[in-house]
Amino acid sequence: DAGITQSPRHKVTETGTPVTLRCHQTENHRYMYWYRQDPGHGLRLIHYSYGVKDTDKGEVSDGYSVSRSKTEDFLLTLESATSSQTSVYFCAISGGFGANVLTFGAGSRLTVL
Amino acid sequence: SQQGEEDPQALSIQEGENATMNCSYKTSINNLQWYRQNSGRGLVHLILIRSNEREKHSGRLRVTLDTSKKSSSLLITASRAADTASYFCATDATGNQFYFGTGTSLTVIP
Repeated sequence: DAGITQSPRHKVTETGTPVTLRCHQTENHRYMYWYRQDPGHGLRLIHYSYGVKDTDKGEVSDGYSVSRSKTEDFLLTLESATSSQTSVYFCAISGGFGANVLTFGAGSRLTVL
Repeated sequence: SQQGEEDPQALSIQEGENATMNCSYKTSINNLQWYRQNSGRGLVHLILIRSNEREKHSGRLRVTLDTSKKSSSLLITASRAADTASYFCATDATGNQFYFGTGTSLTVIP
């Protein structure tokens, strides 16, 4: 997990509250990703970023927004958390073309009551 | 869904045996990768095979790729208890988007 940290690592919140998860990297990688992991579904891509202020949707982006104001930080926001968003969230980074291997953070476990 | 699927979902073997897991995917790809996840941890990259390759080796790992069948297999030879983990395939079609399968849970019994 060296070079990539997620915070918070654990969070319990209530339905309807906003939640922001932070991913911080020290590798100066261009690409950053947010995935969620649920039993029976594996990892599903939520959003990704290909540069500062450049983001795009993944396959399960509804209910999530992201922002990247600096190369090193990628934020995932749940505007109004729902119980279906209870999951483990992983951030990953990649150097992009020619170096397209993902390095993952340790994960953030979110419980929405 | 752009996800692939791994087969079997769960596999239990004795230490020293070989473990084979399969991955099927849906779209054309640039490369396919395999990752391992130990319980409660993030995923770790194991091996990458490009679409123009048919087989690749790395230590005790052997990966094959059949693009005509849109499938790949991961073979772990002479398994060890430390190989106990979940294994995921991931496809890369564009160079910057990675889609994962549902995973195979491997248990190696000492």
